[in-house]
Amino acid sequence: QSVLTQPPSVSGAPGQRVTISCTGSSSNIGAGSDVNWYQQLPGTAPKLLIYHSTTRPSGVPDRFSGSKSGTSASLAITGLQAEDEADYYCQSYDSSLSGWVFGGGTKLTVL
Amino acid sequence: EVQLVESGGGLVKPGGSLRLSCAASGFTFSYYSMTWVRQAPGEGLEWVSSISSGGSHVYYADSVKGRFTISRDNTKNSLYLQMNSLRAEDTALYYCTRVAGEQQLYWYFDLWGRGTLVTVSS
Repeated sequence: QSVLTQPPSVSGAPGQRVTISCTGSSSNIGAGSDVNWYQQLPGTAPKLLIYHSTTRPSGVPDRFSGSKSGTSASLAITGLQAEDEADYYCQSYDSSLSGWVFGGGTKLTVL
Repeated sequence: EVQLVESGGGLVKPGGSLRLSCAASGFTFSYYSMTWVRQAPGEGLEWVSSISSGGSHVYYADSVKGRFTISRDNTKNSLYLQMNSLRAEDTALYYCTRVAGEQQLYWYFDLWGRGTLVTVSS
């Protein structure tokens, strides 16, 4: 059971918009910890997608956006493309555990 | 080229030991905190351990505390993970990652290696 809760899977057709939620608690997201997002394409290492909850590293398309409110965060992907099919993970810091935590991951399927 | 390359994985019996290494290149290694993250086969990501840029502060997940030791050698641009008393549940792909962000609340992992596979089995 992950400290950060993500839906196991989401899907959407090409061109559509999907969101992936990440629900935490008062000891992590709700305590002011940033939420960061990673994309893991099949058979590859994770790649940083969003940091500081809303910031995209250079090279990440603006189709990807992050938001945070209260004890939750979301990753939105607009204009879905086949190449977006991957696993997505949220990550934050948990003050109760004194360590960094990941969500369980969400598998995005592009129909 | 900015990269991290892990090595040292392999097959080890339960109760055995293994030392992972991570060679950094293309950036000033001594400026950055570093972290090990693992991923069991077919599972999600799990934070394992982190070390500050100078090596004076170390952090461990409860699942490895007392068994794993993280260290670094800034003269060799290298990060290490000494793993003792290995268990079947330690079987995973171990990733070396670079930490960005100024405070722990804001840490994120901006550069990842390809990982090295550790299999604990009799």
